[in-house]
Amino acid sequence: GENVEQHPSTLSVQEGDSAVIKCTYSDSASNYFPWYKQELGKRPQLIIDIRSNVGEKKDQRIAVTLNKTAKHFSLHITETQPEDSAVYFCAASSPRPSGGSNYKLTFGKGTLLTVNP
Amino acid sequence: EPEVTQTPSHQVTQMGQEVILRCVPISNHLYFYWYRQILGQKVEFLVSFYNNEISEKSEIFDDQFSVERPDGSNFTLKIRSTKLEDSAMYFCASRSGATYEQYFGPGTRLTVT
Repeated sequence: GENVEQHPSTLSVQEGDSAVIKCTYSDSASNYFPWYKQELGKRPQLIIDIRSNVGEKKDQRIAVTLNKTAKHFSLHITETQPEDSAVYFCAASSPRPSGGSNYKLTFGKGTLLTVNP
Repeated sequence: EPEVTQTPSHQVTQMGQEVILRCVPISNHLYFYWYRQILGQKVEFLVSFYNNEISEKSEIFDDQFSVERPDGSNFTLKIRSTKLEDSAMYFCASRSGATYEQYFGPGTRLTVT
């Protein structure tokens, strides 16, 4: 099955700096890669996603890049703000091995991002 | 904006007891999921449900677990005989048939004593 590795486990930056979180995946059939932000005690919230037919996607201060050949994808946050502090999870999704459109998510272990004022 | 809802927010139960966790997915969504997150760990897939049947389940989802969509709105997860290691946050998620995005509910914190 799919295995997703995420680094770093913790990241501390100064307000205004950029933050980069990296993930690798193992299943070449994975074709959808979302990123979730989870604040303490809250639900994971989808912040950006990318499909395998695209190499990069940007939404204001957040961008995601995907390298299918190397099987890795990254989250980039520019001009970080204290409210960006949270745990960020990457995930990979693919159809079931037997086919169909299940698209379960396999998550990385998360990155605790702290943005210091 | 429509959201996935879950009840209860916190459930405390004794080992060996049955619990039912309830979810109301977003109304026009077709795919439903349960995930769990043990404190401080990653989110783990339990089961997916489509067209009134399980489409995939993980190794965690053993015979003690079951899911049901008893009516057109609710989606439930039942644990027949809870164990201490079932203590976790359980998230329900749903997805429309047109996109890949999964939307998560606020979770039910299950504490087994």
